[in-house]
Amino acid sequence: DTAVSQTPKYLVTQMGNDKSIKCEQNLGHDTMYWYKQDSKKFLKIMFSYNNKELIINETVPNRFSPKSPDKAHLNLHINSLELGDSAVYFCASSQAQGYEQYFGPGTRLTVT
Amino acid sequence: AQTVTQSQPEMSVQEAETVTLSCTYDTSESNYYLFWYKQPPSRQMILVIRQEAYKQQNATENRFSVNFQKAAKSFSLKISDSQLGDTAMYFCAFMKQRTNAGKSTFGDGTTLTVKP
Repeated sequence: DTAVSQTPKYLVTQMGNDKSIKCEQNLGHDTMYWYKQDSKKFLKIMFSYNNKELIINETVPNRFSPKSPDKAHLNLHINSLELGDSAVYFCASSQAQGYEQYFGPGTRLTVT
Repeated sequence: AQTVTQSQPEMSVQEAETVTLSCTYDTSESNYYLFWYKQPPSRQMILVIRQEAYKQQNATENRFSVNFQKAAKSFSLKISDSQLGDTAMYFCAFMKQRTNAGKSTFGDGTTLTVKP
């Protein structure tokens, strides 16, 4: 069974569109994250949720809105997509603070 | 704010040899955690090894070990008997202890190529 899953794995869309990426973990973890990895492979945290509560919100445009319907899911909705949003987006989860994070397979978003 | 520096963007090693990847960090915290993650060409991020700052003993996982120097704020990864499957990008990560959600700061990564 996949521990952290993301859908879709690939997403190609045009500028100005709105899209969502879904993430689910079956590890029973309390904390989930979204990371962005750019073309240079730099990995930056975007958001984290603990028991459905937003804990970390880095400097991310408000076009990005995370939603956690329950602690096993953390979805990322992006409005008015821009070329600079093209990247690989990773979802991750962890048991608690200080514990390692388990990553999903990533979603490669390409904005044309 | 914490920073994590990996000074070697790229490295290569011959199969079966040993290689060390460097990582330094800057923090005013006394309790924290350090990690090495591996990202092979498949893109999947995989945890390699974890170190608690309060532990003086260096963590080891099979062929992977760390040299943790708390005073120097250094956390290097040694890979022994390198294998072709070790070819990947390696990220060093720092996590503060006293946070609700364990925010991690990642270094910029080191691309390691293992040559046959």
